[in-house]
Amino acid sequence: GQQVMQIPQYQHVQEGEDFTTYCNSSTTLSNIQWYKQRPGGHPVFLIQLVKSGEVKKQKRLTFQFGEAKKNSSLHITATQTTDVGTYFCAGERDSGGSNYKLTFGKGTLLTVNP
Amino acid sequence: NAGVMQNPRHLVRRRGQEARLRCSPMKGHSHVYWYRQLPEEGLKFMVYLQKENIIDESGMPKERFSAEFPKEGPSILRIQQVVRGDSAAYFCASSPLTGGLTEAFFGQGTRLTVV
Repeated sequence: GQQVMQIPQYQHVQEGEDFTTYCNSSTTLSNIQWYKQRPGGHPVFLIQLVKSGEVKKQKRLTFQFGEAKKNSSLHITATQTTDVGTYFCAGERDSGGSNYKLTFGKGTLLTVNP
Repeated sequence: NAGVMQNPRHLVRRRGQEARLRCSPMKGHSHVYWYRQLPEEGLKFMVYLQKENIIDESGMPKERFSAEFPKEGPSILRIQQVVRGDSAAYFCASSPLTGGLTEAFFGQGTRLTVV
């Protein structure tokens, strides 16, 4: 079955440093979504990428979707303590699909030292 | 407009007991999705419901698990004869349309512990 691998599993940075998490799928994806979950909290949808090579920005967050639509990355510039949490990618294989039967990665837990 | 409400937030059950998890969607939302999250894992889709209908239960274990979303009242995820492996966080999300998770909001989750 489809697998979505995310690295690193954990990342600890000093406030102000950059952070990147990578997501790789074993199969080509129709779209990929990114979520943030604070410790003890619930997932919050961040963004969806659909097009090959797509790059989207949200303030200090930059999301990329690879040309082959099998990998993606999330980059945070100048991290802040409010960025702490686990960042999940979630891919969907079928085009025109449901947007709910996603395969989630295991997430990258980001901690920020003030 | 209250968000997606799940209760209880924490639930402890002994092996063999039943667990009932409730999810009240946001006002105006008629689509509910249930997910399970094991420790240090991502979410896994379980079931998608609309009012009085199960649309997709392909992620639901065949035995012991059931879900409903009645015309009135919250959506219920029921786990019968719980086992230790059922210990997890169970999240529901609701959306107003069929846009899936891109238009959905998650509840705070129910942390189920089976002892």
